[in-house]
Amino acid sequence: QVQLVQSGAEVKKPGASVKVSCKASGYTFTSYYMHWVRQAPGQGLEWMGIINPSGGSTSYAQKFQGRVTMTRDTSTSTVYMELSSLRSEDTAVYYCAASSGWYDDAFDIWGQGTMVTVSS
Amino acid sequence: EIVMTQSPATLSVSPGERATLSCRASQSVSSNLAWYQQKPGQAPRLLIYGASTRATGIPARFSGSGSGTEFTLTISSLQSEDFAVYYCQQYNNWPLPGREFGGGTKVEIK
Repeated sequence: QVQLVQSGAEVKKPGASVKVSCKASGYTFTSYYMHWVRQAPGQGLEWMGIINPSGGSTSYAQKFQGRVTMTRDTSTSTVYMELSSLRSEDTAVYYCAASSGWYDDAFDIWGQGTMVTVSS
Repeated sequence: EIVMTQSPATLSVSPGERATLSCRASQSVSSNLAWYQQKPGQAPRLLIYGASTRATGIPARFSGSGSGTEFTLTISSLQSEDFAVYYCQQYNNWPLPGREFGGGTKVEIK
């Protein structure tokens, strides 16, 4: 079945980086664009950016420009989200989610989420 | 950036009653509006896209309406499994691919 499986929980110190993976299965990897969305504890959803699994092009929310990097590995149908210079406010569940449109489509498929805790 | 505002923040409803949730956009998003349901400890699930089209497998008691800047999600007769947080999301940012979410409405048991 169509699914996105994310890597496990991470604990990082302030100033470090974290890299979260999202492995797609059950569909053609390049058929869906992949987004990253985060959710701080008890808070709402925040869109971080998008990657085109086909060509690797990306677009990031202004808030994360310079700190986030999204990449993909077509050989393993996996996308990655790396966030650097971590601070306590980055403690959140990070989700990958897929849409069929770059500009104009909702998120049909979601990963299960990866908890990232930033603490000294 | 388009700002999405949901109201109310919390809605207390008895099982079997009707729930009406609102979402307002700071500028027109046409019909490029989605609704998601999120239960504790779970990822969001797509309910409605295109403002009014139910996603695959979504029961008919969920309906969406609106266009432009004002949108509504209606749950006609609340079931126990419908108590959750609901988010709206716009996807009308061309030429940028941004997808802003509203702050959410928690539907709780009255």
